[in-house]
Amino acid sequence: NAGVTQTPKFQVLKTGQSMTLQCAQDMNHNSMYWYRQDPGMGLRLIYYSASEGTTDKGEVPNGYNVSRLNKREFSLRLESAAPSQTSVYFCASRKDSHEQYFGPGTRLTVT
Amino acid sequence: AQSVTQLGSHVSVSEGALVLLRCNYSSSVPPYLFWYVQYPNQGLQLLLKYTSAATLVKGINGFEAEFKKSETSFHLTKPSAHMSDAAEYFCAVRRGSQGNLIFGKGTKLSVKP
Repeated sequence: NAGVTQTPKFQVLKTGQSMTLQCAQDMNHNSMYWYRQDPGMGLRLIYYSASEGTTDKGEVPNGYNVSRLNKREFSLRLESAAPSQTSVYFCASRKDSHEQYFGPGTRLTVT
Repeated sequence: AQSVTQLGSHVSVSEGALVLLRCNYSSSVPPYLFWYVQYPNQGLQLLLKYTSAATLVKGINGFEAEFKKSETSFHLTKPSAHMSDAAEYFCAVRRGSQGNLIFGKGTKLSVKP
């Protein structure tokens, strides 16, 4: 039982490049989330998926897209990366209880 | 609308001293509240949660928090700090039926030997 896994762990992009961050959970959770963490800002919700086949915008969705590929996987895509998207990205999942379970994060630098 | 305020972005204590990390919330409905801990270069780990049962909630690693409705507070405490407690701590409130969390900005705890 690996919990929530994220790939890659680190990534450096040039402005304008695109990439997809992958997230998978093996806990059979219905809901999945993408957050970004910036110094002094806490975690801010980018997108979430309440169930397979549904996605909704969070607090800071601009510049991102998501796909809930199946119940296990929830990916985050940056179509044209900008320096303002330099951040640490966390995926999380939740079943019926209230708490969310977090992955180890992806550190993204956009130059 | 729900919101969370953590007082103090940095807190420093001596090993063996009391740890007190402050969290105040705003919620138009009975809140569900959480404390998470983040060790360097890791993800977030749940310390404890309040879901309208007992107002004093015990968590992992000797931490506990007390829900005080009259003060809209959910402060985190530990009687005796250990060096391994050095980390960043986040308070969060659940928002809406989708279970989204709103996080405070975090408090970084340092423990001096």
